[in-house]
Amino acid sequence: DTGVSQDPRHKITKRGQNVTFRCDPISEHNRLYWYRQTLGQGPEFLTYFQNEAQLEKSRLLSDRFSAERPKGSFSTLEIQRTEQGDSAMYLCASSLAVNEQFFGPGTRLTVL
Amino acid sequence: KNEVEQSPQNLTAQEGEFITINCSYSVGISALHWLQQHPGGGIVSLFMLSSGKKKHGRLIATINIQEKHSSLHITASHPRDSAVYICAASHFGNEKLTFGTGTRLTIIP
Repeated sequence: DTGVSQDPRHKITKRGQNVTFRCDPISEHNRLYWYRQTLGQGPEFLTYFQNEAQLEKSRLLSDRFSAERPKGSFSTLEIQRTEQGDSAMYLCASSLAVNEQFFGPGTRLTVL
Repeated sequence: KNEVEQSPQNLTAQEGEFITINCSYSVGISALHWLQQHPGGGIVSLFMLSSGKKKHGRLIATINIQEKHSSLHITASHPRDSAVYICAASHFGNEKLTFGTGTRLTIIP
C-alpha cells in the first residue's frame, strides 16, 4: 500500500499523559500537513512541513503540541499533558508540491 | 464567520435522485477541493479545481470564481454515495486547506 499511513489508528489515554502519533506520507511527497477534526466539524489546520522544515503552525497548536519531520519523510505529532479537549481525530495529509492532498486514515484520540 | 461555508448541512434523498451540494468562500483561493469522508474518518480527495468544471463518473464539480461559489453534483445517486462531503479551499503561497463543516448525505434505497 503506497498511500498515507498513520499509527496508531486509535489511542485512549488518561488526562495528563503524553501521546505521540506518527504519519508516513506517500513516498516522494515533499509536503506534509497535520489537521484536527472534532466531532461534527470539518478538519482544522494544525501545522505544515515542506521537506523537514516546519513552515507554519496554527494558533490552535498550543505549547503542549509539537510536531517534527526530522528527515523530510515521516512525521510525528506529540501532545504533552493531554486534556479532554484534545479528544479528536488527527489527520495527516501529504502532497507533491502544489497539488491535491492525499489523506491518511487518521488517529482517533480519546482522553479520559 | 468561517471562510468556507457549505449547504445543506444534512441531505437525505431517494436512490436515483440528482444531488447538489453547495460551497461558498469569502476570500481568493488558489483551488477548491471536494473531499469525501466515510464513517471511521478516512478522507478521499474527489476533485481539485481552480476554474470551470470537472467530471468523474457520476460526480461533477463546478466552480464560479467571480461568485466565489462551487457545487458538487451527484447523478443517479446510490446508497453507497452516503458519506460526508467536505469542501475546502487552498490559498496562494500557502497550500494548507481551510475546510467547510461538511454535508452529511444519506441516500435511501
